[in-house]
Amino acid sequence: DVKVTQSSRYLVKRTGEKVFLECVQDMDHENMFWYRQDPGLGLRLIYFSYDVKMKEKGDIPEGYSVSREKKERFSLILESASTSQTSMYLCASSLVSIGYTFGSGTRLTVV
Amino acid sequence: ILNVEQSPQSLHVQEGDSTNFTCSFPSSNFYALHWYRWETAKSPEALFVMTLNGDEKKKGRISATLNTKEGYSYLYIKGSQPEDSATYLCALGAGNMLTFGGGTRLMVKP
Repeated sequence: DVKVTQSSRYLVKRTGEKVFLECVQDMDHENMFWYRQDPGLGLRLIYFSYDVKMKEKGDIPEGYSVSREKKERFSLILESASTSQTSMYLCASSLVSIGYTFGSGTRLTVV
Repeated sequence: ILNVEQSPQSLHVQEGDSTNFTCSFPSSNFYALHWYRWETAKSPEALFVMTLNGDEKKKGRISATLNTKEGYSYLYIKGSQPEDSATYLCALGAGNMLTFGGGTRLMVKP
């Protein structure tokens, strides 16, 4: 069974902390994505990657960075967490032109 | 940024009711339209991918239609059950990217 695994289901962090959200897929997909989901706003794309060491900004990259050192792993980094970054974060992977496979999400609370 | 809109934002129905909701998108440069179901505490699950104008897809009691000329897709659920309670997302596909709508949150009361 193919999988996208996000390392944490729930996280609570303090304002100003550096936060790492990890995502691993076992399907050898080239494309990986990070979204956040907020009530009434749907899924908004933060960053995506088409290949190892490649990254592209999505619609809302401010306050975030990413790392893709290996094909299977795509990390989202909050350099200095703020309360506005409290959200549900979803990772996804895909092959070209085929739909996404999602992780189960990480609910991050910044206090 | 592509504008993909879903309506209604939320919907409460009784068990056994049939229901439908809408996804609207720009009709120019259409590539593919995806529907996902997202249950609480689970990963979003792919329901349908539609690419051709007039496409109709069915999976059990759930079906979807696509009109690419006017830029909309309908999702229908026949005889809603409590286990259908979820957020239903549509997404417009272009190349490797999906642009999601805001979702319709469906709650089915027993």
